[in-house]
Amino acid sequence: DAKTTQPNSMESNEEEPVHLPCNHSTISGTDYIHWYRQLPSQGPEYVIHGLTSNVNNRMASLAIAEDRKSSTLILHRATLRDAAVYYCTRGSNYKLTFGKGTLLTVNP
Amino acid sequence: EPEVTQTPSHQVTQMGQEVILRCVPISNHLYFYWYRQILGQKVEFLVSFYNNEISEKSEIFDDQFSVERPDGSNFTLKIRSTKLEDSAMYFCASYTGSLSGYTFGSGTRLTVV
Repeated sequence: DAKTTQPNSMESNEEEPVHLPCNHSTISGTDYIHWYRQLPSQGPEYVIHGLTSNVNNRMASLAIAEDRKSSTLILHRATLRDAAVYYCTRGSNYKLTFGKGTLLTVNP
Repeated sequence: EPEVTQTPSHQVTQMGQEVILRCVPISNHLYFYWYRQILGQKVEFLVSFYNNEISEKSEIFDDQFSVERPDGSNFTLKIRSTKLEDSAMYFCASYTGSLSGYTFGSGTRLTVV
């Protein structure tokens, strides 16, 4: 399986922007980049996904490098409720492959 | 917002027993999945199901595991003879195949004793 690589943990202050990086250097040309987050004892929650172009939705923005070997999830104003494990995944209709994710801590 | 519903939320079973984990995916979704997460570890793919057949499965999904979509609404995961190492959270997910991401359920915590 091709891997995604993320920092183990990051810290942010409330109401500040957060940039969560991910490397996926071996991603195939047809795989999408998905981001999910997970709170303790809950299932992963979809955040955003994209293929080549940058994407925005109500939760976040996704910036994808031109060579698709890396991407960055941007939370524009972190809140305490954004504290979670964030997973960058690569995938298709048939499968998403999760890595270990980044534990985001948000300080009040 | 539509949800993926999983039952039961927690199941305790004896080693060697059969268990069936149940899921109701979102009604207009076309792709269905089971994942598992052993305590403290990452989310692992088990199997995907599309057009009434398995489309992809992992090495974990051996002959002890099976999936069914018996009635067009439920999606089940059966473990024929449970082992201690099957203890984990099992997540069901579904996907439209287009604009949105996968939707995961809240999970079933399986404890094998």
